[in-house]
Amino acid sequence: GENVEQHPSTLSVQEGDSAVIKCTYSDSASNYFPWYKQELGKGPQLIIDIRSNVGEKKDQRIAVTLNKTAKHFSLHITETQPEDSAVYFCAADGGSQGNLIFGKGTKLSVKP
Amino acid sequence: KAGVTQTPRYLIKTRGQQVTLSCSPISGHRSVSWYQQTPGQGLQFLFEYFSETQRNKGNFPGRFSGRQFSNSRSEMNVSTLELGDSALYLCASSVQGSGDSPLHFGNGTRLTVT
Repeated sequence: GENVEQHPSTLSVQEGDSAVIKCTYSDSASNYFPWYKQELGKGPQLIIDIRSNVGEKKDQRIAVTLNKTAKHFSLHITETQPEDSAVYFCAADGGSQGNLIFGKGTKLSVKP
Repeated sequence: KAGVTQTPRYLIKTRGQQVTLSCSPISGHRSVSWYQQTPGQGLQFLFEYFSETQRNKGNFPGRFSGRQFSNSRSEMNVSTLELGDSALYLCASSVQGSGDSPLHFGNGTRLTVT
């Protein structure tokens, strides 16, 4: 079945710097790759997603890139702000499994 | 539109007891998925319901079960609770489910088993 690996597990940056989180997946049949942000005491919230027919997608300070050949995708956050501090999860649809498989999460800390 | 609502927010139960958690999806969403979140294992898929039918099941013992009603509301039940069942249980709804459409999560039910 699908397996999603996420790195790093923790990331600390200065306000204004960029942050990059990387994920790899194993099932070449996967076509949908969302990213979620989870703040303390809340459920994960979708921040951006990408499908396999697109290589890159941008939404203001957030971008996601996908390399289907290498089976990896990344989240890029530019001009980070303290409110970006949270746990970020990548996910991939399970191909034949039919459900989202999540990475273990990255705790991002943005220092003012 | 109202978001996904999970009740209760917190539960404390004793080993051996059973528990029922409730989830009301976003209006118009027919798919409801349940995930267990723990610090060590991350988000693990329990099951998905679509139009009152279980469409998908994760690798959890039979003590974990669920159902979906005609109004798309869903419940999950855990019987014979074990200490290891302590976790945040998250419900998520989507328009069509099956892993290839956005999931909208509730804020979870925090279950503590003592």
